[in-house]
Formats: sequence, C-alpha cells, structure tokens
Amino acid sequence: GDSVTQMEGPVTLSEEAFLTINCTYTATGYPSLFWYVQYPGEGLQLLLKATKADDKGSNKGFEATYRKETTSFHLEKGSVQVSDSAVYFCALSDQSGTDRDDKIIFGKGTRLHILP
Amino acid sequence: NAGVTQTPKFQVLKTGQSMTLQCAQDMNHEYMSWYRQDPGMGLRLIHYSVGAGITDQGEVPNGYNVSRSTTEDFPLRLLSAAPSQTSVYFCASSYSESQPQHFGDGTRLSIL
Repeated sequence: GDSVTQMEGPVTLSEEAFLTINCTYTATGYPSLFWYVQYPGEGLQLLLKATKADDKGSNKGFEATYRKETTSFHLEKGSVQVSDSAVYFCALSDQSGTDRDDKIIFGKGTRLHILP
Repeated sequence: NAGVTQTPKFQVLKTGQSMTLQCAQDMNHEYMSWYRQDPGMGLRLIHYSVGAGITDQGEVPNGYNVSRSTTEDFPLRLLSAAPSQTSVYFCASSYSESQPQHFGDGTRLSIL
C-alpha cells in the first residue's frame, strides 16, 4: 500500500540556518503531496501542497518540489526563525491508485527546534 | 469562522469510565475523521465518515465508537476507558477524503 517516510527528529538548527526535512513516498498511482505543520498545543495546519510531478508548493518561505523520479517531496527553507519551531508532517493522497483508498496518509512527523 | 471545534481540551478519566469527545465543523464538509497522536507514532486514524449516516473504521478502531447523525457533528465515544487510550485526539474535516484536511486543536486525554 501507499506510505510516507520522513526523516526522524528532532532536528535542531540555529536561527537563519538552511532547513531540509526529507520526505519520500510510495504510491501505486499519481498522488497529491502535502506538508502540514503543527505548532505547540495546536492541531495540524496545511503548509503547502503539490498535485503533480515537478510542481513546487510554497508558503511562508517554505518550499517543496514534487519529484516523481526520486519519489520525494523534501521541505526546504532558506533561513529559519525561532517561530518555525514545530512538528512537520509529510502526507499524500492517492486518488488514482490501485488500492482504491483515497484517504490522506501521514508520515510520523519531524520535530524542529530553532535556537535563537 | 470557527472551523473545527473540539471539546473538551483536556480530560482525565479513571479506567472503566466512559466519555464522549465532541467535534463540530461549520464548513459543510462531508468528510470527517478522528486521529490519535502518540509520541513516535505520528497520527493514526481511528474512525472516519464520508457523510451523514455513514461511518467506517480506520487503523485503530478498537475501544471507540462514532456516529454521524448530522453533517456538522462527529462525536467519538470511549465506552470503557483504558490507560492505553491516553493520547491526544484530533478531529479533522474536509470536502472529501483526498482533500487537505482542517484540524481541530485537539483533546488531551489521560486515563488513570
């Protein structure tokens, strides 16, 4: 079945550092890909999405490019801030897959700590 | 615009007690779901509903019941609480099961 694998955390960086959080997926069809962010004490919020190969999703300085050849959707930000400290979830939904299950599948999350 | 509202935010129960976690959304979403979030386990789907009157089991349904009598509400019931059900519970909704989901702020539940 479909699955999402993302790098284990926690990831600790200094303010203004470059961020990469890796995410790879397996899918039988052509999934849409998402990144969600969860700030302390809150629910998940959609951060960005991409619906087809080579699409780039972006929001709040974060970017991720849908790479079909490497089945990846890595999250990047050029200069992180303390306020970016949160848990980040990679996710997919596969409307065209053979397992006929459209539900969104989440990775296990990566906790990010940004030090001032 | 309230979005997805969960109540209560915190609850402590004794083993064997029952309770209902409430979830309401005001976006006219057909799809609603319940997840539990545990350290190192990410989000695990408990139950979901694709519309009023329709519910189905997710990955970890045992010990939980749901109903969907209206589009807006999707309560989660624990019939006999167990310490293994100590977790943070999130309700989410969306137009369909493949669309980005809107999450509530969660209910932190402790079973003693």
